Amino acid sequence: DGGITQSPKYLFRKEGQNVTLSCEQNLNHDAMYWYRQDPGQGLRLIYYSQIVNDFQKGDIAEGYSVSREKKESFPLTVTSAQKNPTAFYLCASSISGALTEAFFGQGTRLTVV
Amino acid sequence: AQSVAQPEDQVNVAEGNPLTVKCTYSVSGNPYLFWYVQYPNRGLQFLLKYITGDNLVKGSYGFEAEFNKSQTSFHLKKPSALVSDSALYFCAVRGMDSNYQLIWGAGTKLIIKP
Repeated sequence: DGGITQSPKYLFRKEGQNVTLSCEQNLNHDAMYWYRQDPGQGLRLIYYSQIVNDFQKGDIAEGYSVSREKKESFPLTVTSAQKNPTAFYLCASSISGALTEAFFGQGTRLTVV
Repeated sequence: AQSVAQPEDQVNVAEGNPLTVKCTYSVSGNPYLFWYVQYPNRGLQFLLKYITGDNLVKGSYGFEAEFNKSQTSFHLKKPSALVSDSALYFCAVRGMDSNYQLIWGAGTKLIIKP
């Protein structure tokens, strides 16, 4: 079954902790993305990567970090520097290029407790 | 600056009636336009896209969208709504202003009443 897998589906973080969200794809896509979704605000781009070992900051990268050591994997770490991390996080991938649609995982809901 | 507007937070339609979800955009150069649907606590699913060619684009689940260059719009339509169409709908655009990264509208909640 081809697709994007995000884990876990639900994640709880204590104040001051770092947490890592997993994103794996078997679609052989070069480009991968992380978005944050808050109610009424649409999707905001955190980081994206168009090739292995390279990634760029999106619009709201502060307090987040990523790595892209393998084509299939693009984990997102939410650090303690992110002051308001409670949100729904979506990972996506696509074939590189302007004309292509993105495919999304099922999301991870992160809650600070 | 590149942007996408979905002017309605919510659209209510009776089952069986036609539906329209509005989207307007602002982008330099040629726009590449997309519609996605999101069900509660799920990821987004691709519905359709406009790249070039025919202004009427057909997509999944009976949806279609009409590209109007003069009005810079890309409204999503369906001739006969189903209760199962109730979901959150997002319009997005790629343009050269943002290095072709997707710029998203805020989303429109579509409610289909039986």
